[in-house]
Amino acid sequence: GAVVSQHPSWVICKSGTSVKIECRSLDFQATTMFWYRQFPKQSLMLMATSNEGSKATYEQGVEKDKFLINHASLTLSTLTVTSAHPEDSSFYICSAEGTADQPQHFGDGTRLSIL
Amino acid sequence: AQKITQTQPGMFVQEKEAVTLDCTYDTSDQSYGLFWYKQPSSGEMIFLIYQGSYDEQNATEGRYSLNFQKARKSANLVISASQLGDSAMYFCAMREGRGGGFKTIFGAGTRLFVKA
Repeated sequence: GAVVSQHPSWVICKSGTSVKIECRSLDFQATTMFWYRQFPKQSLMLMATSNEGSKATYEQGVEKDKFLINHASLTLSTLTVTSAHPEDSSFYICSAEGTADQPQHFGDGTRLSIL
Repeated sequence: AQKITQTQPGMFVQEKEAVTLDCTYDTSDQSYGLFWYKQPSSGEMIFLIYQGSYDEQNATEGRYSLNFQKARKSANLVISASQLGDSAMYFCAMREGRGGGFKTIFGAGTRLFVKA
């Protein structure tokens, strides 16, 4: 089946650092990728839709200058948390879908802890 | 606005018994997709089952079946013969077309506890 690889799986860094998270579709081309954020014991909150070759579409309330998304190829999308602060600590998870009738396939997520 | 409602924050079921996890949705679109995902404590999202809005038959995947009642806008997940490994968080999700693309939103989730 389709596989999405997300790296790193765990990041601990100091406040003020920028952190890049990669999401790769390994065996299919993903025209669209999604980035979600999940707080403990809560649901997945869609942050943005990443479209290959165009600007990401951010959900209301999500700072695009804070969470930079790049989708330069059909197999890779990156999320960069710029100047991260403790409140940015969360579980970030990406997903990819190839065509309209396929379910999303998720990466394993990244646990980000900002000290 | 689209909305997914899971009214059961937590559910208990005895091993080997069946359990139903509730999900209702709200949409004005005619074409949409409904999904159920399992999230164990390790965090990964595991796709379980899919139901298209135009599918006339309820979807089934092994021990998972989706009780789709379109008029009531409900898409309940039925897990038969529960196993200890089924203990996890379960999310109902709906995908709709938006501006030429697709967007999926998730319900609040139901935590399932399977008792031995």
